[in-house]
Amino acid sequence: GAGVSQSPRYKVTKRGQDVALRCDPISGHVSLYWYRQALGQGPEFLTYFNYEAQQDKSGLPNDRFSAERPEGSISTLTIQRTEQRDSAMYRCASSFNPTYEQYFGPGTRLTVT
Amino acid sequence: GQQLNQSPQSMFIQEGEDVSMNCTSSSIFNTWLWYKQDPGEGPVLLIALYKAGELTSNGRLTAQFGITRKDSFLNISASIPSDVGIYFCAGQLDNTDKLIFGTGTRLQVFP
Repeated sequence: GAGVSQSPRYKVTKRGQDVALRCDPISGHVSLYWYRQALGQGPEFLTYFNYEAQQDKSGLPNDRFSAERPEGSISTLTIQRTEQRDSAMYRCASSFNPTYEQYFGPGTRLTVT
Repeated sequence: GQQLNQSPQSMFIQEGEDVSMNCTSSSIFNTWLWYKQDPGEGPVLLIALYKAGELTSNGRLTAQFGITRKDSFLNISASIPSDVGIYFCAGQLDNTDKLIFGTGTRLQVFP
């Protein structure tokens, strides 16, 4: 079946602009996770949802970052007033339920100029 | 952010050799996962471990969940060129569902 999909795959934006990154999890997966991955490092947790409820947002760097999953399926990660330090690969993962293994999408490469 | 200690950082081996890498933490985990990441791709799940002491195989890959729940290892037997990539361990702490990733082991296989 289809895996986790993310869009756009690449996003270049100017500093100060808002961006919205989309994640479409594997069908039927309850849990959805957002991570950020710097080059050469492992993904770092940002936030996650069970159904539409945001369970943990402790990894969001500051209040310019927010995420939603209003219908318990597709999720959007929004970064307001982007800064150059926000440039990174943003990865989404989903799992059947919170205790099951997580499957990752291809990521969105964000570049802030 | 918090990351697990993974070693070695990189390995250069000859095709056909066996490989071993491990991950350690000062915290107790209730789940260990091993992922492989190819350039430009997302991490792909290799093996999942759910119980202390558990030993699980997936083809030429074998992974174990340490008895203390603070470590895990991954072995690859008879390496082949397509094993090239970065291997990450990841753990879930008790009472949380987020994954904490290791620092990665970069594997190069020479023919």
